[in-house]
Amino acid sequence: GGIITQTPKFLIGQEGQKLTLKCQQNFNHDTMYWYRQDSGKGLRLIYYSITENDLQKGDLSEGYDASREKKSSFSLTVTSAQKNEMAVFLCASSATGSGNTLYFGEGSRLIVV
Amino acid sequence: GQQVQQSPASLVLQEGENAELQCNFSTSLNSMQWFYQRPGGSLVSLFYNPSGTKQSGRLTSTTVIKERRSSLHISSSQTTDSGTYLCAMELGTGYQNFYFGKGTSLTVIP
Repeated sequence: GGIITQTPKFLIGQEGQKLTLKCQQNFNHDTMYWYRQDSGKGLRLIYYSITENDLQKGDLSEGYDASREKKSSFSLTVTSAQKNEMAVFLCASSATGSGNTLYFGEGSRLIVV
Repeated sequence: GQQVQQSPASLVLQEGENAELQCNFSTSLNSMQWFYQRPGGSLVSLFYNPSGTKQSGRLTSTTVIKERRSSLHISSSQTTDSGTYLCAMELGTGYQNFYFGKGTSLTVIP
């Protein structure tokens, strides 16, 4: 089996600050995702990547940048943190192609002060 | 945009009771998955269910793609079943892109 590791578990920053979340997976999966989970709103896709150096925007990409420099890692940057975007950010990965399940990390909680 | 409606939003059961969770989709889809999220924790896939019925222990998932709906049945609920159950649809646009419902929060009391 594999594991997805997200760091940090809690990310505290000031309003307007650039903040970065990191995700590592050892499944050897091609596709990786960043989702944002707000209370009562389910999960919304921010970015996904189908291979190293590929980036695809999701429905919620504005205000975020992503980077996939290695197959095993996918990072997400909040370009200017705002108090209204305090949420849990979930990283996931899957094998490429339809019919494959998503595997999730434990999540990173963003706190903006 | 794509809509995934889950019902009920929350549910409280006495231990031993059964539960039926529903998921409805506003558009044609390629497949769907059910996930479980423990309080404050990560998501775990319960079923990848493109169509028909799948069972795993006390959990049964039934998907009718042409009717754009799926259900998750939990029999003989236990306190450890408490948590949030989310469904997600896959549009099948070449690569997986899942759209999630808001989830059903289940509380099982002893």
